[in-house]
Amino acid sequence: SQKIEQNSEALNIQEGKTATLTCNYTNYSPAYLQWYRQDPGRGPVFLLLIRENEKEKRKERLKVTFDTTLKQSLFHITASQPADSATYLCAFPSYSSASKIIFGSGTRLSIRP
Amino acid sequence: EPEVTQTPSHQVTQMGQEVILRCVPISNHLYFYWYRQILGQKVEFLVSFYNNEISEKSEIFDDQFSVERPDGSNFTLKIRSTKLEDSAMYFCASSETSGGPGETQYFGPGTRLLVL
Repeated sequence: SQKIEQNSEALNIQEGKTATLTCNYTNYSPAYLQWYRQDPGRGPVFLLLIRENEKEKRKERLKVTFDTTLKQSLFHITASQPADSATYLCAFPSYSSASKIIFGSGTRLSIRP
Repeated sequence: EPEVTQTPSHQVTQMGQEVILRCVPISNHLYFYWYRQILGQKVEFLVSFYNNEISEKSEIFDDQFSVERPDGSNFTLKIRSTKLEDSAMYFCASSETSGGPGETQYFGPGTRLLVL
């Protein structure tokens, strides 16, 4: 069955540095992949979507890459700030139905001042 | 900016009781979803709903669960006879379209359900 894995449960970095989060998937080739932010006790908030034919997508300080050969997506936050501290979720549509989104377990990012 | 709203924010119930969780999706959206997140675990898909019928459901969504769009604005999730393991955060989401690369699902703030 399709699997989505986010390698790190938690990542702690110094303010101003670039945070890099990893998402790997197996047994499937999704047409696109999404990244969400989730704050404690809140719902996921959509950040970026990258299609399989796109290598890279940017939005302000965020950058996402999608390597279909490695079956991996990287999520970068440049010039990180304490306000970026949250859990970041990788997600893609199920092979059985595009309306069914499969989420990774998330990486909890902490930015220390 | 339009947003998905959910009520109640917290619900405590006794095992075996019925609960109804309510959601108001974004007004021009046509596709509606329920997800749940058990504490410390992944966000899990439960069901998607379009044109007044279920379009997809997961293995979690058994006969104890049902969804309904009782009027033009509300979307509800009913759990008929709650179990302890139903304790979780339940998120409603909505989207304009479904399945295409342009789809974005917008999530509500969630209802925290505790079954005692």
